[in-house]
Amino acid sequence: NAGVTQTPKFRILKIGQSMTLQCAQDMNHNYMYWYRQDPGMGLKLIYYSVGAGITDKGEVPNGYNVSRSTTEDFPLRLELAAPSQTSVYFCASSYSMRDVGNGYTFGSGTRLTVV
Amino acid sequence: GQQVMQIPQYQHVQEGEDFTTYCNSSTTLSNIQWYKQRPGGHPVFLIQLVKSGEVKKQKRLTFQFGEAKKNSSLHITATQTTDVGTYFCAGYSNYQLIWGAGTKLIIKP
Repeated sequence: NAGVTQTPKFRILKIGQSMTLQCAQDMNHNYMYWYRQDPGMGLKLIYYSVGAGITDKGEVPNGYNVSRSTTEDFPLRLELAAPSQTSVYFCASSYSMRDVGNGYTFGSGTRLTVV
Repeated sequence: GQQVMQIPQYQHVQEGEDFTTYCNSSTTLSNIQWYKQRPGGHPVFLIQLVKSGEVKKQKRLTFQFGEAKKNSSLHITATQTTDVGTYFCAGYSNYQLIWGAGTKLIIKP
């Protein structure tokens, strides 16, 4: 099993550009999440989804958008990139949000620099 | 808002010494999860504790959940270079998973 696959692994954007970070999971998890991690810091939740067609804001949603048209895919859209969005972005999935058992499975991350 | 405080932020140890990181929550937690993130890597799930006073072991790692379900600890005995990384706790409360800021384990050369 591939688990959670994120693309691209690295990206440099110019201020004002837009891009979509892709995330796909093959574990049939209902719950999917986008986190950002700034250097030396913890994880901040951007958006999450409890199933296809259902998304909700996390702690730091401004400047981002998401969609969930299938169980497998959960893309994150950055509109009008700003230097403050320079970060490492992790997608994760789980059986449930509380997930008693196997925890969250994370992708390998997208390292984004906005210049 | 709800918080999970994790201390220390960094810990430098000689190889072979023990390491401990602590998490304290402002609210009672349904469960607590522990993750390890290697330098340049992504968080990897280690374990989940659910019961009050629970203690679980994974080889040299010992995890504890407090009696009041508001605190937890991870203890590593006789650290090895493979233990290097950042250890995060994440507590579930009121329909959200609240992450600690992590403790970075550094092995002194």
